Amino acid sequence: AQKITQTQPGMFVQEKEAVTLDCTYDTSDQSYGLFWYKQPSSGEMIFLIYQGSYDEQNATEGRYSLNFQKARKSANLVISASQLGDSAMYFCAMREGRRINFGNEKLTFGTGTRLTIIP
Amino acid sequence: SQTIHQWPATLVQPVGSPLSLECTVEGTSNPNLYWYRQAAGRGLQLLFYSVGIGQISSEVPQNLSASRPQDRQFILSSKKLLLSDSGFYLCAWGRAGGPSSYFGPGTRLTVT
Repeated sequence: AQKITQTQPGMFVQEKEAVTLDCTYDTSDQSYGLFWYKQPSSGEMIFLIYQGSYDEQNATEGRYSLNFQKARKSANLVISASQLGDSAMYFCAMREGRRINFGNEKLTFGTGTRLTIIP
Repeated sequence: SQTIHQWPATLVQPVGSPLSLECTVEGTSNPNLYWYRQAAGRGLQLLFYSVGIGQISSEVPQNLSASRPQDRQFILSSKKLLLSDSGFYLCAWGRAGGPSSYFGPGTRLTVT
């Protein structure tokens, strides 16, 4: 079974609108972490935001927020006031197990969503 | 601040030739290091990770190998490349208990 599922292969959004990128995950661990990365056409993976499974509040980083619904096992990324520079591939990823254990920061990635911002 | 380097940036190699990709990290000590591969249009797949010099764990059986000769150096190798080895190879570093993994600029490998 897929551990990380991103059901939107592509999205087109008007500039300045908010956009939600979907991510659902599957794990039996009680402790885990969820990440979102942005990959522009240059190829580099840019870390955007992190949510720990025990974090009570949804993570926010500037225009990025993570809508974490633990019971539904979803971790959607919300980008407010989208900009042309937001056009890129977006990947959701999960780390299973506790963060402090050596070597367990291995990430499992989804297949990504290609976001295109329309001017 | 920490910086991660990868080279070469692009590489075209014939089937059956050897491979050596290098990754180095600056500005930190004893990082966890990771090699990921991204096939065209796909997500990333973890290949190897290392928690210290000479300590390598393999996630996927394949004809690739990894080595960590120095604390901040991670090398991905192959004795004989296959067509299926083509892809985008990303090195990442992270610190146990610290923030997320941070990625290098990647190497785009085409096996012909």
